[in-house]
Amino acid sequence: DIVMTQTPLSSPVTLGQPASISCRSSQSLVHSDGNTYLSWLQQRPGQPPRLLIYKISNRFSGVPDRFSGSGAGTDFTLKISRVEAEDVGVYYCMQATQFPPTFGQGTKVEIK
Amino acid sequence: QVQLQESGPGLVKPSETLSLTCTVSGGSVSSGSYYWSWIRQPPGKGLEWIGYIYYSGSTNYNPSLKSRVTISVDTSKNQFSLKLSSVTAADTAVYYCARVFAVAAVFDYWGQGTLVTVSS
Repeated sequence: DIVMTQTPLSSPVTLGQPASISCRSSQSLVHSDGNTYLSWLQQRPGQPPRLLIYKISNRFSGVPDRFSGSGAGTDFTLKISRVEAEDVGVYYCMQATQFPPTFGQGTKVEIK
Repeated sequence: QVQLQESGPGLVKPSETLSLTCTVSGGSVSSGSYYWSWIRQPPGKGLEWIGYIYYSGSTNYNPSLKSRVTISVDTSKNQFSLKLSSVTAADTAVYYCARVFAVAAVFDYWGQGTLVTVSS
C-alpha cells in the first residue's frame, strides 16, 4: 500500500494568517493515464470528511478560493491563504492512484 | 444535491456480523459515473477505506479486510450495504458511506457516519 505522510501533525495558526500542510507519498502518484489522483479532505469537529481539492489542485464545488493545492509526483501541499475560524479541524490527504486508496494520518489545524 | 445516510445497529457482539445500509437521495446508485464506497474511522484515529461497489455489482475491497467484507447494491431501493463478519473490538469505528466520482477518483459526497461499537 502507498503510505501517505503528512506534516505537521498539528498547526496552531493565528486568524487571518496563512497555513500550509505537506503530504508525501511513498511512491509516485502519477497514474498510467497521466493523472495524479491526490485529494484533500477537511473534517470539522464532529462532522464527516468533506472534499476540498481533487487531482492535486482542483477545488471542489463551493470550496472557498483561500484553499489551494499544489505539488507533483510524491510531494503535495495544501495552503490556506488566510485562516478563518470555520477552518478549524483535521485535514487529510488521500491517494486513489494505486489500489487500495489510502489516507494520510491527518493534520489538526487550530487557532492560537 | 446528493445525500447519503447510513443506518444499522450501533452495537454488535464480538464474532458476529456488522451490517450497515447506505440510502442515497438526490442521485442514483445506478449511475454509471460513480462507485459507492464504505470508509471507517476508529474513535480518535484516521480514515481507512473498506471497499466500493459499482451499480453492476462489481466490487473492490481493501485486502486487509477482504476476507470479512461484503458490499452489495440494491438499485430498486437506491441503497448499498456493508457486511463485516467476525468482528472484534478493533472494528469499533464510525462507518461512513461515500460516493466516488469514477473519472476523477474523487470521494465527493459523504454520509454523516454511524458509530458501531463491538462489545459483549
